[in-house]
Amino acid sequence: DTAVSQTPKYLVTQMGNDKSIKCEQNLGHDTMYWYKQDSKKFLKIMFSYNNKELIINETVPNRFSPKSPDKAHLNLHINSLELGDSAVYFCASSQAAGGSEKLFFGSGTQLSVL
Amino acid sequence: SQQGEEDPQALSIQEGENATMNCSYKTSINNLQWYRQNSGRGLVHLILIRSNEREKHSGRLRVTLDTSKKSSSLLITASRAADTASYFCATGHSGNTPLVFGKGTRLSVIA
Repeated sequence: DTAVSQTPKYLVTQMGNDKSIKCEQNLGHDTMYWYKQDSKKFLKIMFSYNNKELIINETVPNRFSPKSPDKAHLNLHINSLELGDSAVYFCASSQAAGGSEKLFFGSGTQLSVL
Repeated sequence: SQQGEEDPQALSIQEGENATMNCSYKTSINNLQWYRQNSGRGLVHLILIRSNEREKHSGRLRVTLDTSKKSSSLLITASRAADTASYFCATGHSGNTPLVFGKGTRLSVIA
């Protein structure tokens, strides 16, 4: 069983569209994250949720809206997609919040905005 | 910025050789972690070293941490073609601050 799974793996869409990426973890972890990896492989935190509550929002545009229906799921909805949104988006989880935790990553969603 | 910086950006070695990657950071930390990313995959945790530790081993991996120089190194001994990947350091801080990742070192091990 995959510990952190995200779908879809590839997403190709036109500018202006709205799309969602789903993430689920079966590790029983309390904390989930969305990271964005750009074309230079730089990995940047976007959001962090702990027990369904938003705890970190790193100056991400309002077009990005995370939703956590329960602590095993963290979805990412993106409105009005722009060319600059093209990147690989990674979901991750950890047992608890905080910088001492080990992260478990999903395999990524490669988003291409045309 | 709290971001770590890996050095070198890319490294190419022959199978059997040792690979050393370095990470420098700017602010105080409570731990530093190393992750591996194979092409097209997510990151996988390799090792965590706490700020009060100087060296840690895990199989063929050896990590050192020098908090006075704000730097860490990852040594992979007797490298294999399967070690080909990007390696990232990530700094852990107090409170709810999530891990902050560096830009990674691309390691190529040639058989």
